[in-house]
Amino acid sequence: NAGVTQTPKFRILKIGQSMTLQCTQDMNHNYMYWYRQDPGMGLKLIYYSVGAGITDKGEVPNGYNVSRSTTEDFPLRLELAAPSQTSVYFCASSYYPPTDNQPQHFGDGTRLSIL
Amino acid sequence: RKEVEQDPGPFNVPEGATVAFNCTYSNSASQSFFWYRQDCRKEPKLLMSVYSSGNEDGRFTAQLNRASQYISLLIRDSKLSDSATYLCVVNTYNTDKLIFGTGTRLQVFP
Repeated sequence: NAGVTQTPKFRILKIGQSMTLQCTQDMNHNYMYWYRQDPGMGLKLIYYSVGAGITDKGEVPNGYNVSRSTTEDFPLRLELAAPSQTSVYFCASSYYPPTDNQPQHFGDGTRLSIL
Repeated sequence: RKEVEQDPGPFNVPEGATVAFNCTYSNSASQSFFWYRQDCRKEPKLLMSVYSSGNEDGRFTAQLNRASQYISLLIRDSKLSDSATYLCVVNTYNTDKLIFGTGTRLQVFP
């Protein structure tokens, strides 16, 4: 049971570099989300998608881009890495909007450090 | 004011104790409520949904007070394995997004 798979698990970037965080789910979920979690803080929504071809900004989208060309994949791109983007990034998915009995399933997270 | 507020703790309790966490939310249009559990350096996992009439799952009881806009989580007979951060999560009607609190840390000691 793969669920939500994120790669890589860890990464160190230099300021100004770019990279793509990969997220794929095998549950045929329509809804996918990217969050970041800074130490001692809650999760903040970066971007989300309610289906292939549709993406929307969350609370903290600046410095990130996403695409949703397939139901399974929802990559998150950092174009010009900055130290403020050092965080743990979680991808999540759900079949329907997050209402009762429709929990979000999370990946293991990607720990990203920008130096 | 934050949309979802929690006491960060930590709550340090002995095994077997009963402990309760509260969470307040600011948007009266909020419709769905959850408690998620997050272990250190791990992903959040759904602990339980919170229903208007209150609900119980084993040692865990969740309550919702819409008038006062708060939800609570009660843990009875605490186990060492209950040590984690408990996230209060809210979904507002007609949105596709969850709002996460910063979490309440629980440490159960022998």
